[in-house]
Amino acid sequence: GNSVTQMEGPVTLSEEAFLTINCTYTATGYPSLFWYVQYPGEGLQLLLKATKADDKGSNKGFEATYRKETTSFHLEKGSVQVSDSAVYFCAHNLGGGGADGLTFGKGTHLIIQP
Amino acid sequence: GAGVSQSPRYKVAKRGQDVALRCDPISGHVSLFWYQQALGQGPEFLTYFQNEAQLDKSGLPSDRFFAERPEGSVSTLKIQRTQQEDSAVYLCASSLAGAPGNTIYFGEGSWLTVV
Repeated sequence: GNSVTQMEGPVTLSEEAFLTINCTYTATGYPSLFWYVQYPGEGLQLLLKATKADDKGSNKGFEATYRKETTSFHLEKGSVQVSDSAVYFCAHNLGGGGADGLTFGKGTHLIIQP
Repeated sequence: GAGVSQSPRYKVAKRGQDVALRCDPISGHVSLFWYQQALGQGPEFLTYFQNEAQLDKSGLPSDRFFAERPEGSVSTLKIQRTQQEDSAVYLCASSLAGAPGNTIYFGEGSWLTVV
């Protein structure tokens, strides 16, 4: 079936540390891949996306590369800030809801300490 | 408005009550989605509209859940005879058109607590 698996949280890091949040997917087809972020008290926002193999999505210092051979889309950032504290969701667009419908992972709560 | 707007933001319902949750998508957006997000989980797909047509309702958990979008804009998700397991955040999202890789915009959600 179609699913997304991401690392369990919470992930607690110090400011300026390197961040990796792992994400792998299963899909019967060739999905687009997404990272969404949910800041406290706010709705889900698209952070970055990649639509085909070997594409790299990037935004706000975050990046993720679409790896078809390992079915992965790991999120990385070289130096995290306190303001990056949020819940991060990996997703693909195969599953219910036509071409745009998203299948999400369970989310990873990231806590950055000053 | 500039974004997807949902109301009410918070709703407490007694078990057995009916509730209606409203979604105002971004103007001109063809596609509209409803998701359910339980505490500590990722959003789960419920249903999808393209204009006024409900093209996919495979995620609705029971026949107590009903969604409509009669004029292809505002949508309402109705839950009849609410149960405690219905407690969750209900997210509405919209996108411009059904093409792979389109950006989907989410509302802030309606937090439903069934007591």
